[in-house]
Order: sequence, then structure tokens, then C-alpha cells
Amino acid sequence: SSELTQDPAVSVALGQTVRITCQGDSLRSYYASWYQQKPGQAPVLVIYGKNNRPSGIPDRFSGSSSGNTASLTITGAQAEDEADYYCNSRDSSGNHPFGTGTKVTVL
Amino acid sequence: EVQLVQSGAEVKKPGESLRISCKGSGYSFTSYWISWVRQMPGKGLEWMGRIDPSDSYTNYSPSFQGHVTISADKSISTAYLQWSSLKASDTAMYYCARQRVDCSGGSCRIDWFDPWGQGTLVTVSS
Repeated sequence: SSELTQDPAVSVALGQTVRITCQGDSLRSYYASWYQQKPGQAPVLVIYGKNNRPSGIPDRFSGSSSGNTASLTITGAQAEDEADYYCNSRDSSGNHPFGTGTKVTVL
Repeated sequence: EVQLVQSGAEVKKPGESLRISCKGSGYSFTSYWISWVRQMPGKGLEWMGRIDPSDSYTNYSPSFQGHVTISADKSISTAYLQWSSLKASDTAMYYCARQRVDCSGGSCRIDWFDPWGQGTLVTVSS
């Protein structure tokens, strides 16, 4: 299956740590990338590959992977991290489905 | 600065045709694929398909195959997404994104989309 499943919503207290997960069979073979989308804005890449951050992304964002699950961790969440987060990965057919998305609320 | 600039919002009637564009600048346009992504109102991201601008090779998500056409004109560094007959259900925001692939080690296991265009809102209504 090429589906990527995420929890619909998570919340985190300001300054605390939150982990967002993405599950799918394709993640056993391919790495995930992660995207942050704030209301009314285009998505922005935050993590790709094993644990790579594009320039300009704070180091409180990190990625990891194990088996069929990829994770995005925000360590010391800030108010500006409140957004929707999507994972993405290639599948064996050469398609690139997105995950179902997780809404992160910072309390 | 690497950027993708998309064409403006469109309002169309069902049955009409449409082509929206995505112009790349600040990099070698033929060196990276371009993908298109749909976001219906209040919903998540959906990968539609991608094109290699160097040879116009395309592949489509099964969900979009036959419903849209992706093309590119490398002479003007522009990719396109087009419909021959729009439906109300095509109402959505459409994004283009530069797709990068890491094939180190002999296998292509890492893909990512960066940057993204600003989006083109397509509204289809009678």
C-alpha cells in the first residue's frame, strides 16, 4: 500500500516536545520528507532524508525513522510552530503520496 | 534566489478548459523535476504527478491519470497543468514544487519538494 497515515491532531505545551508520526509500508524502503503548512500559505519543507534540515529551519525540528514509521520531532515547541504537518514519501510505483496530515496546536 | 512563480487565480465554468503555469527561476530548470499538488478546500495535500523538464517525461498519480495533463516548455522554464473539461470538483488550490532526488549509493531513496510555488486557486462554478 502507498498510503501514509498520520494522527489527525496533537497538542503540545509551549516549550515542550512533540513527536508527529507517519506510518506506511513505503517507509521501509524510502525516506520521508516533512512539510509545514500555516493557514493561507504554501507548504514549506522542514525535514528530508535521514534527518536533514533546509537552511533557515530551526534546529528544534528533527526527523527519524524506524521500520514502517517516520517521525518528526519538535523539541521546545514555539507558538509559531502551530501549523499542519504533512509527510511524503516515494512508493514502489514511483508515486509520491502525502500523509493524511497532523494539526499541531501549541498551548 | 530559487523560486517558482505561479499564474494567478482563475474562475471558470464547468466544461471549460484551463491551463495554469509555474515559472522557475534562479536555477537550471531542466535539472530538477516539477511536481503538482492539489489541496481541496479544508483538505490535505494530494500529489498529482510530475514532469522531467529535460525530456518532458511524466508520471501521474493513479487518482489523476487521464484527468489532467502536465507539460513543460524548457525554453521559458515553465511547467503547466491543464484540464480539457473542468468540473466543480476541480475547485482547489494547486501548487507546483521543485522535486529533488538523492540517488547516492546507487538507489534513489530520498525525495523532497523545495521550493514551492505560491499556489493558484482554481474555482469552477456555474
